[in-house]
Amino acid sequence: NAGVTQTPKFQVLKTGQSMTLQCAQDMNHEYMSWYRQDPGMGLRLIHYSVGAGITDQGEVPNGYNVSRSTTEDFPLRLLSAAPSQTSVYFCASSFRQSYNSPLHFGNGTRLTVT
Amino acid sequence: SQQGEEDPQALSIQEGENATMNCSYKTSINNLQWYRQNSGRGLVHLILIRSNEREKHSGRLRVTLDTSKKSSSLLITASRAADTASYFCAGTNAGKSTFGDGTTLTVKP
Repeated sequence: NAGVTQTPKFQVLKTGQSMTLQCAQDMNHEYMSWYRQDPGMGLRLIHYSVGAGITDQGEVPNGYNVSRSTTEDFPLRLLSAAPSQTSVYFCASSFRQSYNSPLHFGNGTRLTVT
Repeated sequence: SQQGEEDPQALSIQEGENATMNCSYKTSINNLQWYRQNSGRGLVHLILIRSNEREKHSGRLRVTLDTSKKSSSLLITASRAADTASYFCAGTNAGKSTFGDGTTLTVKP
């Protein structure tokens, strides 16, 4: 049972480059989300999705795009990387966007933008 | 803005002692969750307490919630070296969870 899988684990980009962070879950969860974690800080919500075809913005959405074409996958796209986007990115899913569904996290993607 | 703020930021104790971490949040919540993060890993869910509950137990974990003070506490009893990690609270409102900055717990053997 893989849970939430994120790829790649590490990535270095130059300013202005674009890339896609992949996230897949095999638990048939309706709700998926992306967070970023900066050093010594908590997680900030970037985008989330309550089901296939539905996405919405979180706290810090600028510079990122998402799509949800299937229940399993929720890729995060960086349109034009900036040094301020250097961070660890976590994908998380839960059974549904209900009051009592805990989040299941992937192991993160460590992104450095030079 | 962060929903939860943990206190203290760092805590160092001896194995066998109890560890208490506190969390304050700003807006109304449906539930409050505690997560653990080992270095370099994703977060792992520990316990969830609903807004209409005041106390909850799970193994060596005890969580309290005071909605009038907008605060929660996590108690880990009889700590072990393996409990060394960062602990985060997350307030959930309308299905979205907002995290605090975490408490780093070090348990010395």
